[in-house]
Amino acid sequence: NAGVTQTPKFQVLKTGQSMTLQCAQDMNHNSMYWYRQDPGMGLRLIYYSASEGTTDKGEVPNGYNVSRLNKREFSLRLESAAPSQTSVYFCASTGGGGTDTQYFGPGTRLTVL
Amino acid sequence: DAKTTQPTSMDCAEGRAANLPCNHSTISGNEYVYWYRQIHSQGPQYIIHGLKNNETNEMASLIITEDRKSSTLILPHATLRDTAVYYCIVRPYTGGFKTIFGAGTRLFVKA
Repeated sequence: NAGVTQTPKFQVLKTGQSMTLQCAQDMNHNSMYWYRQDPGMGLRLIYYSASEGTTDKGEVPNGYNVSRLNKREFSLRLESAAPSQTSVYFCASTGGGGTDTQYFGPGTRLTVL
Repeated sequence: DAKTTQPTSMDCAEGRAANLPCNHSTISGNEYVYWYRQIHSQGPQYIIHGLKNNETNEMASLIITEDRKSSTLILPHATLRDTAVYYCIVRPYTGGFKTIFGAGTRLFVKA
């Protein structure tokens, strides 16, 4: 049981390049989330998916797109990366009902030059 | 959603109890108090949550005042590995997407 996994762990992009951050969970959770964390700041919600087939914007969605590929996987895409998107990106999941506790992945550290 | 107020940083001696306060004076009746921590830029880790009763698990205790306007997270015997940023969050029980992380409290456990 790996929990929440994210790939890649590190990435450096040039301005204007595109990339997709991958997230997968093996806990059969319904809901998944993407956050970003800038230095010295708390986490901010980018997008979330309450269940398979649905996605909704969070606090800071501009410049990002998401895909809930199936129940396990939730990807985050940067179509045209900008230096302002330099950040650490965390994926999380919750089961829904119960404690609805969020479980986080290890993060992807993205630098946009 | 209720906002929380936490001290920016705190120190604690190793082996002593660490008491981390949180003010949430605008908490609604259906909102729970959750605590997470983040160790050195790792993903946040769930610690404990509660509604109005005090709660205890293997990691910590949560004390919520009777009026629910504030709470305290207690790490009974802090170790160096407890050095982390601790986040106090209030949200509805099944509102994962309403989890708002503030700046948290940076706890330094010193030998």
